[in-house]
Amino acid sequence: AQKITQTQPGMFVQEKEAVTLDCTYDTSDPSYGLFWYKQPSSGEMIFLIYQGSYDQQNATEGRYSLNFQKARKSANLVISASQLGDSAMYFCAMREGMGSNYQLIWGAGTKLIIKP
Amino acid sequence: DGGITQSPKYLFRKEGQNVTLSCEQNLNHDAMYWYRQDPGQGLRLIYYSQIVNDFQKGDIAEGYSVSREKKESFPLTVTSAQKNPTAFYLCASSIGGQGALEAFFGQGTRLTVV
Repeated sequence: AQKITQTQPGMFVQEKEAVTLDCTYDTSDPSYGLFWYKQPSSGEMIFLIYQGSYDQQNATEGRYSLNFQKARKSANLVISASQLGDSAMYFCAMREGMGSNYQLIWGAGTKLIIKP
Repeated sequence: DGGITQSPKYLFRKEGQNVTLSCEQNLNHDAMYWYRQDPGQGLRLIYYSQIVNDFQKGDIAEGYSVSREKKESFPLTVTSAQKNPTAFYLCASSIGGQGALEAFFGQGTRLTVV
């Protein structure tokens, strides 16, 4: 069963609009973390934002915010005022497990294209 | 500048050949990882290493081997036993465990079997 689901294979968004990228997860572990990474065409993965399962407030990093709805098991990424440079693949990932042997589980990604 | 360097960027392998992908980091990170990325799929963990001279298999270790003789280096060998090696390979490092803190990634190596 998929533990991380990104339902949007691709999205087109007009420049300067806000965009929401969906991510739902499945875990029975009470302690977990959720990550979003950006992968531009150059190939490297760039860390964007992190949300811990016990964090009371939604994480924010500049134009990025994470809409964390624990009961729904969703961790959507919101990008405000989109820019052409935001065009890339976006991956949601979940850390579950305890101790020093954390495992990261990755979604299949969403390809975001910003239109001028 | 601190970072992770993967080489080569593109690599072609003949059937039955072993090839080695290089990964070097100067971030002084203890943990290093190798991931495989296929089109339309998320990353899958091949091997990871928490400290020098120690490494563990990930989800898809068959047909791959690694070494960690130095903190800075974590080369991946794709052996002839790997039947479908064509993929994009990403190396990463982090201060702590795999998901404890953000990981830093190299720019990847695209391996193609010819």
